[in-house]
Amino acid sequence: GAVVSQHPSWVICKSGTSVKIECRSLDFQATTMFWYRQFPKQSLMLMATSNEGSKATYEQGVEKDKFLINHASLTLSTLTVTSAHPEDSSFYICSATLTGDPADTQYFGPGTRLTVL
Amino acid sequence: RKEVEQDPGPFNVPEGATVAFNCTYSNSASQSFFWYRQDCRKEPKLLMSVYSSGNEDGRFTAQLNRASQYISLLIRDSKLSDSATYLCVVTPGGSYIPTFGRGTSLIVHP
Repeated sequence: GAVVSQHPSWVICKSGTSVKIECRSLDFQATTMFWYRQFPKQSLMLMATSNEGSKATYEQGVEKDKFLINHASLTLSTLTVTSAHPEDSSFYICSATLTGDPADTQYFGPGTRLTVL
Repeated sequence: RKEVEQDPGPFNVPEGATVAFNCTYSNSASQSFFWYRQDCRKEPKLLMSVYSSGNEDGRFTAQLNRASQYISLLIRDSKLSDSATYLCVVTPGGSYIPTFGRGTSLIVHP
């Protein structure tokens, strides 16, 4: 149980285009979903926290108009990178916490590798 | 001081060795503690939660020391497949937002 999927697993796009990444909890309802970004050989960086039906909470330095988060249901959150540029190339990972699970355990999606040309 | 600190390593050990990592945290009100494992270019996977009484899962033992504000992970009889980055995760009290350490790299060689 507690499986999280992400789609797509990788994407290559031209500079200026927008890219949508989906994060789904497959076999549970997720209270909260998190979006992270990880550059090579660096640690995970939390971008935003989203709860179903409410606006995402963005970490300092993360542009909410550039990284649009929609948490439409208890099993789906989407991250849209708008007008992507090469510096947005990174590994984007979502995670979800399971309602009722031992407190705060996170289950991660397999990640989406974004390359902006 | 960073909220969660780990020695980045790498820890380079032979197969069969015992290796231990520590992770210190600054918020004394922290409530939840975890160790995750991350392989290169993959997502983190939960290794184990860390309870006040400590817990053991096969070759892995996790301990929590609230007085000194650190958690530890002990790996016995290291396998080549244990090579990975081990991430310490702490959730502060009053918040459900986790804080990740930068990870400790472990390399197990033949």
